[in-house]
Amino acid sequence: GAGVSQSPRYKVAKRGQDVALRCDPISGHVSLFWYQQALGQGPEFLTYFQNEAQLDKSGLPSDRFFAERPEGSVSTLKIQRTQQEDSAVYLCASSPGAQTQETQYFGPGTRLLVL
Amino acid sequence: QKEVEQNSGPLSVPEGAIASLNCTYSDRVSQSFFWYRQYSGKSPELIMSIYSNGDKEDGRFTAQLNKASQYVSLLIRDSQPSDSATYLCAVLPSGTYKYIFGTGTRLKVLA
Repeated sequence: GAGVSQSPRYKVAKRGQDVALRCDPISGHVSLFWYQQALGQGPEFLTYFQNEAQLDKSGLPSDRFFAERPEGSVSTLKIQRTQQEDSAVYLCASSPGAQTQETQYFGPGTRLLVL
Repeated sequence: QKEVEQNSGPLSVPEGAIASLNCTYSDRVSQSFFWYRQYSGKSPELIMSIYSNGDKEDGRFTAQLNKASQYVSLLIRDSQPSDSATYLCAVLPSGTYKYIFGTGTRLKVLA
């Protein structure tokens, strides 16, 4: 079956622009995670959704970052007034249920470059 | 001190050898530990998870956990060139959904 998909795969933004990154999790998956991965680093947790509820947003680096999952399926990560330090790969992952130890399935990521 | 520490490598091993990857963590209440493999330009994929002290084997992979020493390792037996990748250690503190990843160890298996 289809895995996690993300779009766009690549995004170039000018500093100060707003961007929206989309994640389509595996159908029926309850849990959805967003991560930011800078070059040469491991993924850093941004936020977690269980269905439509955002249960943890402690990793969002500033109030310029906003995520939503209004119908409990597709999620959007929005970054306002992008800065150069926002350049990274943004990974989305989903898992079947709400148990914390379940396997996360990662999407291919969106590579964001802010000029 | 970082919450999850890994040697960035590269760790080079000859084909057929055992590769040993190590990870230490600082949070004593962490309950769940994971090893992910990430090929260059690709997304992470789960190799192993381990929750109890001791060894857990899956094919050529063995994860070892020592909670007293706050140490988790991954052994890859009969290493193949296709195992060349970055291996990420991840820790999940108890009662949270906030996975904490290390920076990864780059493994090179030389043919």
